[in-house]
Amino acid sequence: EPEVTQTPSHQVTQMGQEVILRCVPISNHLYFYWYRQILGQKVEFLVSFYNNEISEKSEIFDDQFSVERPDGSNFTLKIRSTKLEDSAMYFCASSSGLLGQPQHFGDGTRLSIL
Amino acid sequence: RKEVEQDPGPFNVPEGATVAFNCTYSNSASQSFFWYRQDCRKEPKLLMSVYSSGNEDGRFTAQLNRASQYISLLIRDSKLSDSATYLCVVKGNTPLVFGKGTRLSVIA
Repeated sequence: EPEVTQTPSHQVTQMGQEVILRCVPISNHLYFYWYRQILGQKVEFLVSFYNNEISEKSEIFDDQFSVERPDGSNFTLKIRSTKLEDSAMYFCASSSGLLGQPQHFGDGTRLSIL
Repeated sequence: RKEVEQDPGPFNVPEGATVAFNCTYSNSASQSFFWYRQDCRKEPKLLMSVYSSGNEDGRFTAQLNRASQYISLLIRDSKLSDSATYLCVVKGNTPLVFGKGTRLSVIA
């Protein structure tokens, strides 16, 4: 069964540094998403991406964040000038976009900011 | 009012028990409904979609009441492997909105 893959599985970074989280969505999916989950809290939407542009973003997704699809397969989340509170699990997801069809999640990147 | 609210849990049940989870959502324009399961420090995995007529998948039964904006999940004959956090997830013209989840522990 096709799956969403994410790298790295764990990223440890000093506060103030930039990180790039990478995702390879399911190949025939058209919609891509980033979510985050702070330890002990619920999964929160960050951004959705379709047709090479952001289709929606949450209030969490401020100027510190950016997304890119640099080629036909990768989908990246860049976090500039990381803060302690950016420590969380970051999940990439993709979907076909058809009504009622679910999103499929990658196994996440655990980001630890020191 | 929170967008998606779930039973706080945790639910600790013996093997073989039947357990039910409830969920309410606030956005009446929501169109799609799902139950996901999440194991500790793992990604959410789709358990089942929830349809208006109700639907069943093996030991799992999901119900949707649009008028009451209420979703349920019933697990029959609980297995040890059912131990996880169950996430109620709702989607309208917006991205997925997750509940905080209900933790289930099935005990031998």
